Amino acid sequence: AAGVIQSPRHLIKEKRETATLKCYPIPRHDTVYWYQQGPGQDPQFLISFYEKMQSDKGSIPDRFSAQQFSDYHSELNMSSLELGDSALYFCASSLGGLAGGTQYFGPGTRLTVL
Amino acid sequence: GIQVEQSPPDLILQEGANSTLRCNFSDSVNNLQWFHQNPWGQLINLFYIPSGTKQNGRLSATTVATERYSLLYISSSQTTDSGVYFCAGAYSGAGSYQLTFGKGTKLSVIP
Repeated sequence: AAGVIQSPRHLIKEKRETATLKCYPIPRHDTVYWYQQGPGQDPQFLISFYEKMQSDKGSIPDRFSAQQFSDYHSELNMSSLELGDSALYFCASSLGGLAGGTQYFGPGTRLTVL
Repeated sequence: GIQVEQSPPDLILQEGANSTLRCNFSDSVNNLQWFHQNPWGQLINLFYIPSGTKQNGRLSATTVATERYSLLYISSSQTTDSGVYFCAGAYSGAGSYQLTFGKGTKLSVIP
């Protein structure tokens, strides 16, 4: 069965650089979520989209922005990177929008900021 | 938002032993999921279980929504079961399905 695809899987950036993470949800899923997991931490919700509109916002820094495109893939844009942004970034997708449902997680993008 | 507490934080098992992991949540949830995070960082979805009981091979889970807790049972543990087990819940009454994760239970299965 098709799963959530994330790219790239690994990314190394310098401080103050920008990064773009991509997420391709499971086909026909209408909702995308982004989570950030710092070293030794639990995943923390950043932002979500339902039918290409932002549906909820968590602890996402102002330096980060995200959007969902017409083909339902999503991108997380991160600017002015800081050392503390080094983390595993997960994208998850679900079917059912405001009705909820199982969130399926992608393999994650490991971002290292030097 | 809801609070999610998991216990125990760490668990060491001999291969073949059984275990029970617990998840308490502070408020009603209508999404409750269990995950296994393997040593490579992948979050593997184990169960979607806002209520009731489910089984999948050596794993089973029970959620008692009225008492706000969920249990994950691992039987005949294997070394490949090692990793961190997360419980995560969401409450749609606030208009959001963002999952709130517990701190996890780190399981080590030794041969």
